[in-house]
Formats: sequence, C-alpha cells, structure tokens
Amino acid sequence: NAGVTQTPKFRVLKTGQSMTLLCAQDMNHEYMYWYRQDPGMGLRLIHYSVGEGTTAKGEVPDGYNVSRLKKQNFLLGLESAAPSQTSVYFCASSFRGDEQFFGPGTRLTVL
Amino acid sequence: AQSVTQLDSHVSVSEGTPVLLRCNYSSSYSPSLFWYVQHPNKGLQLLLKYTSAATLVKGINGFEAEFKKSETSFHLTKPSAHMSDAAEYFCVVSERDTGRRALTFGSGTRLQVQP
Repeated sequence: NAGVTQTPKFRVLKTGQSMTLLCAQDMNHEYMYWYRQDPGMGLRLIHYSVGEGTTAKGEVPDGYNVSRLKKQNFLLGLESAAPSQTSVYFCASSFRGDEQFFGPGTRLTVL
Repeated sequence: AQSVTQLDSHVSVSEGTPVLLRCNYSSSYSPSLFWYVQHPNKGLQLLLKYTSAATLVKGINGFEAEFKKSETSFHLTKPSAHMSDAAEYFCVVSERDTGRRALTFGSGTRLQVQP
C-alpha cells in the first residue's frame, strides 16, 4: 500500500497563475481532507469530503476549490494564486473520520 | 467548538532525560485526542490516540499520554529522550460526534534534544 500520496512535491507559481494539487489514497477511506501548514499555526483545514461526490468548506476555504469525483482522489485547485497561499499543503484520509493518515506534503511558493 | 492549546512552543531537554509536552483541550463533545509528530520536511505520523478506552495511552517509540478529563489535559511524556526524538509535536482533538470529523490542531511544540 502506498497510503496517501501527493503530487507535486514542490511548485513555484507566479501571482495569478492556477494549479491543481492531486491527492490519492489506496486505503478505501471515505473521508479526505486538505490542510495548509504555516509557521507557528499548526495545520488548518481548507476543505474536506465525507464521500465520493461530496465536498465541504473547512476553516480557511477562500481562494481554493476542491473536487472528489473518485473515492480515491481529492483535488485541490487554486484558480488565481496569491502570495498569501505560499504554504505547505497536506492531504489526509480517514476511514471513519477519526484517525487520519497524512501524505508527505506539497511545498508551494507563490511569487 | 473545540480547541487545543499547546502550552510550550519550544522544549529543550538533554538526551536521556524525561520529556514532557503539555496540551490542554476544549471540546463540546466526547473528544478523541491524538499526538502527531513531524520530523523536518516530512509528513505527520501518528504517535498515539485516545478514544475513550484506557486513560493512559501508550504509543510508538516509548511515548505515552494520559487523558485527564478533570484537568482537560492530554500531556505527552517519555521517560528518556533520544536524539531521534527531535521534531515538532502536535496535539490534536477530533469532533467525534459531528459529521465533519475534522481535526483541530494545536500550534505545535518543537522538541530539541541536546547531546
């Protein structure tokens, strides 16, 4: 089992560019999450999904969109990147919504 | 609403001495509590979890934590620190009784281990 994987690992964008981060899990988990990690702030929830075809806003959703077309994949999109979105992004998945398994992270820099 | 407070942003210990990382939580529901560890430039790894069974929880690498409802605390301890324990540690609470099942993270405690 690969667990939770994230693509890409690193990315540099210019302000206004768009991109999509891909998260994949092979554990047949129902719940999937996107977090961002900023220094001194722990992880903050951006969006989450409790099943295929469903998504919901988390704590800091502005400027991001998500889609869960397949159970194993959860995509995070930035339509028009801003420097404030420079961060490390973590995807996680969970079977029953309790213990979460995390991917290795994507380090994004917006210039 | 739930929240987590990690009382120390940095803790420094000598190798072979005990480790204590402090965490207080607030939750409207019966909480699940976790400690995750993050080594530099790595993802998060689960150390241990409390889900309303035994109040003293043992985790990996010799770590343990005790759930104290009266004090709303979930402190992480280890009898003897090892150099490889140097990392950032996050105390986390889960909304078990709501549909979202999201985690709320503390701001983290960076553990330094001196030789």
